Amino acid sequence: GIQVEQSPPDLILQEGANSTLRCNFSDSVNNLQWFHQNPWGQLINLFYIPSGTKQNGRLSATTVATERYSLLYISSSQTTDSGVYFCAVAVTGANSKLTFGKGITLSVRP
Amino acid sequence: DSGVTQTPKHLITATGQRVTLRCSPRSGDLSVYWYQQSLDQGLQFLIQYYNGEERAKGNILERFSAQQFPDLHSELNLSSLELGDSALYFCASSVQLGRLAGIYNEQFFGPGTRLTVL
Repeated sequence: GIQVEQSPPDLILQEGANSTLRCNFSDSVNNLQWFHQNPWGQLINLFYIPSGTKQNGRLSATTVATERYSLLYISSSQTTDSGVYFCAVAVTGANSKLTFGKGITLSVRP
Repeated sequence: DSGVTQTPKHLITATGQRVTLRCSPRSGDLSVYWYQQSLDQGLQFLIQYYNGEERAKGNILERFSAQQFPDLHSELNLSSLELGDSALYFCASSVQLGRLAGIYNEQFFGPGTRLTVL
C-alpha cells in the first residue's frame, strides 16, 4: 500500500516563529488532506489540497503531486497551534479511503 | 463543528462485551467512513459505506461490523471486546460523487468516540 511519511516527527517552537511541516507519499494521489488534532482529540480539517497552493490565515499548504510531497506552512505560531498535524492521502484509481502519516507533534511555547 | 456527529463521546466497558457506536454524516453526504486511532497502530481505515452499501474494507477485525441505514446514519458494532480494542473511533463523511466519476471529496471527521475496555 501507499506509504506516507511526515517530518519532522516532533517540533518545538517559540511563539511567533514560523515552521514548515512536510509530507511525502509513495504513489499517485487524488486526495490529500492536512488535519490538526487538538489536545481533546478532535481532528480539524485544515486543507483539502491534492495539488496546488492554498492559504487560510496564518496557514498555507502546497502540494506538488508530480513530485509526491506536500508542505504545510505555519507562520507567526501561537500556543493554540500546538497539537498533532496529520497528512492523509487517497490513492488515485483506488477507493477513497485515507491513509494517514504518523503525524508531527508541534509544541509552541509562550 | 464539522457537521458529523458521533455518539457516545466516551464509552467504558469490560472485556467480552459488545458496544455500538453511532455516526450521523453531514447533511447531503452519502459516504461514511470509520477509522480507528490507537497508540500502536496510529490512524487506520476500517470500513466505508456509500448510500447503504459497503464500498471498501480496511483492517477491520471479524469481531467488528458496520452498517449504513436508509437515513444514511451508520453504526459500528464491536463485539467480544479485548483490552487492545481501546481506542478513539472516528466517523467521517464525504459527498463521494460516484465511483465512475472518479471524483473524490474532502472527508470531514466527527469528534470521535473514546472507547476504554477494562
